[in-house]
Amino acid sequence: DIQMTQSPSFLSASVGDRVTLSCKASQNINKYLAWYQQKLGEAPKLLIYNANSLQTGIPSRFSGSGSGTDFTLTISSLQPEDVATYFCLQHNSWWTFGGGTKLELK
Amino acid sequence: EVQLVESGGGLVQPGRSMKLSCAASGFTFSNYGMAWVRQAPTKGLEWVATISYDGSSTYYRDSVKGRFTISRDNAKSTLYLQMNSLRSEDTATYYCTRVDYGPDYWGQGVMVTVSS
Repeated sequence: DIQMTQSPSFLSASVGDRVTLSCKASQNINKYLAWYQQKLGEAPKLLIYNANSLQTGIPSRFSGSGSGTDFTLTISSLQPEDVATYFCLQHNSWWTFGGGTKLELK
Repeated sequence: EVQLVESGGGLVQPGRSMKLSCAASGFTFSNYGMAWVRQAPTKGLEWVATISYDGSSTYYRDSVKGRFTISRDNAKSTLYLQMNSLRSEDTATYYCTRVDYGPDYWGQGVMVTVSS
């Protein structure tokens, strides 16, 4: 089974900061990687698909990069509404979610 | 607007059964694969099962094989999850998802609590 490891588990940042979240796969998943945002009590929302494609309606401050085993989600300028937990998902072989990064405001 | 609305959750005793439903609207249901994903309290997300657009193919995680059945009624735009022989470790919020490059749209989720 493919394992997905996200880091850090918790991140505290200030409004306007550039924030970078990491997701590593235990084996090559090509570009079959998605990023989701989940706010407290809500369903996950798709942000990025195929590693670097921005989902319709998602602000351009969100971007994704990477391929193979190493992937990154970047928020170029953190906004208060970005406080959430962020998950990655590999769908190269079945589906495996990362453990999540909880993003808080400093 | 794509909408997925789950129903059928609640409290159930270990070993009993429960059936979840997911009513879909805002897209052509019969064109998309669908899936269930669950999230145990304070835990991460876990894929449960997937069904192809026409219902001809189904896939399950090992821990639910033989106990859970995913199905769909394209005429009613509804997805189902029949859960038998429920265990305490099945306690979770269950999300219905549309499948396109992985799950794109998600329902709000329905809570299933397995406890005596």
